[in-house]
Amino acid sequence: AQSVAQPEDQVNVAEGNPLTVKCTYSVSGNPYLFWYVQYPNRGLQFLLKYITGDNLVKGSYGFEAEFNKSQTSFHLKKPSALVSDSALYFCAVRDRTNAGKSTFGDGTTLTVKP
Amino acid sequence: KAGVTQTPRYLIKTRGQQVTLSCSPISGHRSVSWYQQTPGQGLQFLFEYFSETQRNKGNFPGRFSGRQFSNSRSEMNVSTLELGDSALYLCASSGGTASSYEQYFGPGTRLTVT
Repeated sequence: AQSVAQPEDQVNVAEGNPLTVKCTYSVSGNPYLFWYVQYPNRGLQFLLKYITGDNLVKGSYGFEAEFNKSQTSFHLKKPSALVSDSALYFCAVRDRTNAGKSTFGDGTTLTVKP
Repeated sequence: KAGVTQTPRYLIKTRGQQVTLSCSPISGHRSVSWYQQTPGQGLQFLFEYFSETQRNKGNFPGRFSGRQFSNSRSEMNVSTLELGDSALYLCASSGGTASSYEQYFGPGTRLTVT
């Protein structure tokens, strides 16, 4: 069975500081990995994905994530946080051998303070 | 391109009734997935349809069913509603192939069961 863990329910950072939202996963084979963001009163939006290739992937709004196979992690990062980045972030995994089913983490609430 | 649309946006039903939710994917997308989102359980995968066939199913009782039409539009049905079915139901579409597994979510249908 595949699973995703987001160990922090809440992450607080000051505007301008770097941010990291952590994600670890468990799948039987090689994973497809995704980050999504849910702003207040708005739907879930796709941020970025890892399919294959370079372990560092770049996505929307200046976010990036690093795939680490040995640590089974896919942490979301941004060099300089903005107040407008405050939202709920979800990590998701999809097993290459189980096309169709995506498993989401429980979400991490990011709060960026001015 | 128009985004994923879901109807209705809000629904109030009585315990024991049944309900049908509708989802129109992004034009050209062949995969439609359904999720249940609640504060306590996060995002739970219900099922995924690809080219009118159910490709994967989550761990929900048989009261939850779905289908996909030839134009990729999808419906989800919940029979014999229970109070615990109150949730936000999200539909997501994707290309459904390895190069396009990222999902695009609709705004959701907020179902309240009384």
